[in-house]
Amino acid sequence: GAGVSQSPRYKVAKRGQDVALRCDPISGHVSLFWYQQALGQGPEFLTYFQNEAQLDKSGLPSDRFFAERPEGSVSTLKIQRTQQEDSAVYLCASSLVQGGGTQYFGPGTRLLVL
Amino acid sequence: RKEVEQDPGPFNVPEGATVAFNCTYSNSASQSFFWYRQDCRKEPKLLMSVYSSGNEDGRFTAQLNRASQYISLLIRDSKLSDSATYLCVVRGSNYKLTFGKGTLLTVNP
Repeated sequence: GAGVSQSPRYKVAKRGQDVALRCDPISGHVSLFWYQQALGQGPEFLTYFQNEAQLDKSGLPSDRFFAERPEGSVSTLKIQRTQQEDSAVYLCASSLVQGGGTQYFGPGTRLLVL
Repeated sequence: RKEVEQDPGPFNVPEGATVAFNCTYSNSASQSFFWYRQDCRKEPKLLMSVYSSGNEDGRFTAQLNRASQYISLLIRDSKLSDSATYLCVVRGSNYKLTFGKGTLLTVNP
């Protein structure tokens, strides 16, 4: 079956530009996660949704980062006024059950801010 | 101190070698433990969960020592296709996965 998909796969933005990254989780998966992976590092947690509810946004680095999942399926991570330090791979993961369960990752969006 | 620390690597080994990765975690309340594999420019994929009794999956053996807060992964008879970054991952009582920095393995012919 289809896995987690993300778009765009690559995004180049000028500093100060707003970007929107999309995640399509596996159909029926309740939980959705966003992670940020800087070059040479492991992924770091950003935020967690259970269906449409954003239960944890403690990992979002600043108020320029905003995520939503309005209908409990597709999610969008928006970064306003991008900075060079936002350059990273943004990974989305979904899992079947609330909170726990195996997290399946999408291919990521590679963001480069110039 | 980082929550999950791994051998810095990189590891370069010949085909057929046995290689071991080590990992320590700082949160004694951690409940679930995993090894993920990440190929270059790809997403992380679950390799195996790690249980207190130790577990094996073919050429891969994982061990957990809760008292020492230590996790290991042993790969026997390494193949060229094992070349990847291996990520040690811990989950607490909630849903968050905490990743180590990863250890790069290159298996040479």
